[in-house]
Amino acid sequence: AQSVSQHNHHVILSEAASLELGCNYSYGGTVNLFWYVQYPGQHLQLLLKYFSGDPLVKGIKGFEAEFIKSKFSFNLRKPSVQWSDTAEYFCAVNARRGSTLGRLYFGRGTQLTVWP
Amino acid sequence: DADVTQTPRNRITKTGKRIMLECSQTKGHDRMYWYRQDPGLGLRLIYYSFDVKDINKGEISDGYSVSRQAQAKFSLSLESAIPNQTALYFCATSDLLRTGSNTGELFFGEGSRLTVL
Repeated sequence: AQSVSQHNHHVILSEAASLELGCNYSYGGTVNLFWYVQYPGQHLQLLLKYFSGDPLVKGIKGFEAEFIKSKFSFNLRKPSVQWSDTAEYFCAVNARRGSTLGRLYFGRGTQLTVWP
Repeated sequence: DADVTQTPRNRITKTGKRIMLECSQTKGHDRMYWYRQDPGLGLRLIYYSFDVKDINKGEISDGYSVSRQAQAKFSLSLESAIPNQTALYFCATSDLLRTGSNTGELFFGEGSRLTVL
């Protein structure tokens, strides 16, 4: 089965700082990769996803993520964060083939706090 | 209106009580899931269903049961609630994962916060 590791449990930044959240997964086959965001008191919403093509994926609100297959990584980035980006961020992966086809595996999440 | 609706949104109950959380969806998806969220532990899969006749255990199914009453409805039951089942519960749906642009991404309900005293 797949597993997902998010290296940072809590990240604290000031507004306008750059952001990079790490995500690594363990699975040797072809995968789809996702970042979800959960704003305070809300449900999870899709931020961006990768399934094929350009490994640099752009999502909503200025976020982007880069899939590096050789490193099994899918790090999330934003050049300049805003106070409204304060939220919890979850990396997730599913396999395109095999016994776990379709099941999404989540990392434990990274809480981002942005100070104004 | 939300595509994935959970009821109740908040519930406080006592140890030993039976609790049912309900989920309904209007997205027409075949696949439905129940997750539990705890601080620092992320989301953990309780049960999932790939169609009406298919029910599968997830990572933490002990103490829980589910029923897929129809394509659009998937309910989670705690037969005898205990305090460590206090958590935020999410229902989610996804379409069938196919080769191509369908990625099997999940669409979440707004969550049901359960407190067991």
